Amino acid sequence: GENVEQHPSTLSVQEGDSAVIKCTYSDSASNYFPWYKQELGKGPQLIIDIRSNVGEKKDQRIAVTLNKTAKHFSLHITETQPEDSAVYFCAAASNFGNEKLTFGTGTRLTIIP
Amino acid sequence: DTAVSQTPKYLVTQMGNDKSIKCEQNLGHDTMYWYKQDSKKFLKIMFSYNNKELIINETVPNRFSPKSPDKAHLNLHINSLELGDSAVYFCASSLTGTREDGYTFGSGTRLTVV
Repeated sequence: GENVEQHPSTLSVQEGDSAVIKCTYSDSASNYFPWYKQELGKGPQLIIDIRSNVGEKKDQRIAVTLNKTAKHFSLHITETQPEDSAVYFCAAASNFGNEKLTFGTGTRLTIIP
Repeated sequence: DTAVSQTPKYLVTQMGNDKSIKCEQNLGHDTMYWYKQDSKKFLKIMFSYNNKELIINETVPNRFSPKSPDKAHLNLHINSLELGDSAVYFCASSLTGTREDGYTFGSGTRLTVV
């Protein structure tokens, strides 16, 4: 089955600086890569996703890049703000077999004012 | 108007008891899921249902039994609770299981077994 590794597990960034979180996956059949943000006491919320036919996707301050050859994808947050503090999860899924998301282990991002 | 709602939000119970968690979604989605999040925040799928039919059943002890009376509801019943069952359980839903609009998660049920 799919295995998703995520780094770093914790990340502290000065407000206004950029944050980068990286994930690798094992199943070459995976073709859908979403990112979720989980705030304290809440469920994960989809913030951006990318499919394997695209190398990069941007939504305001958030961007995701995908390297299918190397099987890794990254989340980039620019001009970080205190409200970006949360746990971020990457995930991967394929069209084949059971429809399920395999999540990474999470990154606790802290924005220092 | 909550999209995916779970009840209860907190559940504290003794070992050996039987408990249920309820989940309802009003998004018109036809696939629903149960995920378990452990103390290290790791999210792992337990079950998924598509139109009331079980389609994913990970290696979960058979003390856990999901039930889907209709496509808007997916409940989780746990028998003979053990200390290791303590975790946050998240219900989620998606459209046709194709992830076209991502998964929508509920706010979680924190289960503590004492």
